[in-house]
Amino acid sequence: ILNVEQSPQSLHVQEGDSTNFTCSFPSSNFYALHWYRWETAKSPEALFVMTLNGDEKKKGRISATLNTKEGYSYLYIKGSQPEDSATYLCAFLDNFNKFYFGSGTKLNVKP
Amino acid sequence: ETGVTQSPTHLIKTRGQQVTLRCSSQSGHNTVSWYQQALGQGPQFIFQYYREEENGRGNFPPRFSGLQFPNYSSELNVNALELDDSALYLCASSTGAPLNEQFFGPGTRLTVL
Repeated sequence: ILNVEQSPQSLHVQEGDSTNFTCSFPSSNFYALHWYRWETAKSPEALFVMTLNGDEKKKGRISATLNTKEGYSYLYIKGSQPEDSATYLCAFLDNFNKFYFGSGTKLNVKP
Repeated sequence: ETGVTQSPTHLIKTRGQQVTLRCSSQSGHNTVSWYQQALGQGPQFIFQYYREEENGRGNFPPRFSGLQFPNYSSELNVNALELDDSALYLCASSTGAPLNEQFFGPGTRLTVL
C-alpha cells in the first residue's frame, strides 16, 4: 500500500501569519503531484499540478515546491487570511494512473 | 460552463443492499474518477473511466463497479453494502490528460445501517 503523508494534521494561525505544510510521497513511479483546497460544504478545488523536480508554482499568496527525488512537496501561504481556512490535500499520481491522497492539513486562520 | 454534479446528495441504505450513485461531468471532460472518503481520511481512489473504458482502479473489491456513458456521465454501483461503505463518495472529471486538474462534484453522503 502506497502512503502519502501530510503534516501537520491541523494548524491554527493568526491572520497575517505565513504558514507552510508538507506532503511526503514515494519517490518511485512518480508521475505528478496535485494540491487541492477543500473548504467546508464545498467541493475540493485544484490549486496546482506539479510534475518536474524543482518545480515551483504560485497562485496569489499560495505557492508550492516539489522535490521528486526525496519525495516531498511544500505548500506555502503568505499572509494568511480567514478565507484561507480549509483543508489542503495533496494527491500523488503514479505511472499506473492511480491517485493516492493524503489525509490533508486542516488550516484555521483566526481574524 | 456547467460544473460537476452528483446525485443523490444523501442516501441511507441497509447492509446487503445495492446502491447506484450518479455523476455528470463538467462540459468538455471525457474522464471521470470516483473516490471514497471515510471520516478522518483522505479520498481513496476507487477507479477512473476514460471514454467509457475503465482506465485505472484502486484497491476496492469487485462489488464496486462503474459505468461511463457516451455523454461522459458516470455511475458508481456498490453491491452487497457493508457498514464500512458508509462514506462520502466524490466524483471528479477532467479532460483526460493526467496532468490536467480534476474538477470535483459536491459528493454523495452514503450511510449504511
